[in-house]
Amino acid sequence: AQSVTQLGSHVSVSEGALVLLRCNYSSSVPPYLFWYVQYPNQGLQLLLKYTSAATLVKGINGFEAEFKKSETSFHLTKPSAHMSDAAEYFCAVSGDGTASKLTFGTGTRLQVTL
Amino acid sequence: GAVVSQHPSWVICKSGTSVKIECRSLDFQATTMFWYRQFPKQSLMLMATSNEGSKATYEQGVEKDKFLINHASLTLSTLTVTSAHPEDSSFYICSAVDNVYGYTFGSGTRLTVV
Repeated sequence: AQSVTQLGSHVSVSEGALVLLRCNYSSSVPPYLFWYVQYPNQGLQLLLKYTSAATLVKGINGFEAEFKKSETSFHLTKPSAHMSDAAEYFCAVSGDGTASKLTFGTGTRLQVTL
Repeated sequence: GAVVSQHPSWVICKSGTSVKIECRSLDFQATTMFWYRQFPKQSLMLMATSNEGSKATYEQGVEKDKFLINHASLTLSTLTVTSAHPEDSSFYICSAVDNVYGYTFGSGTRLTVV
């Protein structure tokens, strides 16, 4: 069984500041981990995914995440926040990269202020 | 990249009527499709897993007679909410999966039952 925990349902940063969204996972098998972004009334867009290759994963829009097995973490970061980054972010885990169902965290709403 | 078309994007229906939501993979064949439900400001809850040509697998607590899923082809899955009630009002999202693109999400359907 897999699960993810996202610490902080709401994160607020200033424009230009570092973005850090936390995700910890639990998995009985080597996990595949994902970060998605959701804008209001829209579906989910994949930011990046970890599939057991490089532990530092670079995604779209300047986001990246580092898989740390010892900490069971997969935190999402971006060096400099932009107003357009304001959205809901979901961390997800699956047992493999394709046909297994995704289990989502509860989400973190990112607010970016001037 | 892969595109999943979900229609309609929003629908309002009267209590007691049925509503069908379509999910199409436009440029790839989806071996598996997932249907999720999302309540306001909450995460995605998996409702069922749909494989082409076979019966859907429903998650615990999801009424299969109320949420009918049909996966007639490798590019189309439908979710029919039967005898809809106001408590069925929600945001429904589909996800299509294949070995090349992984998980691709539709843009969601906002269902309001009045």
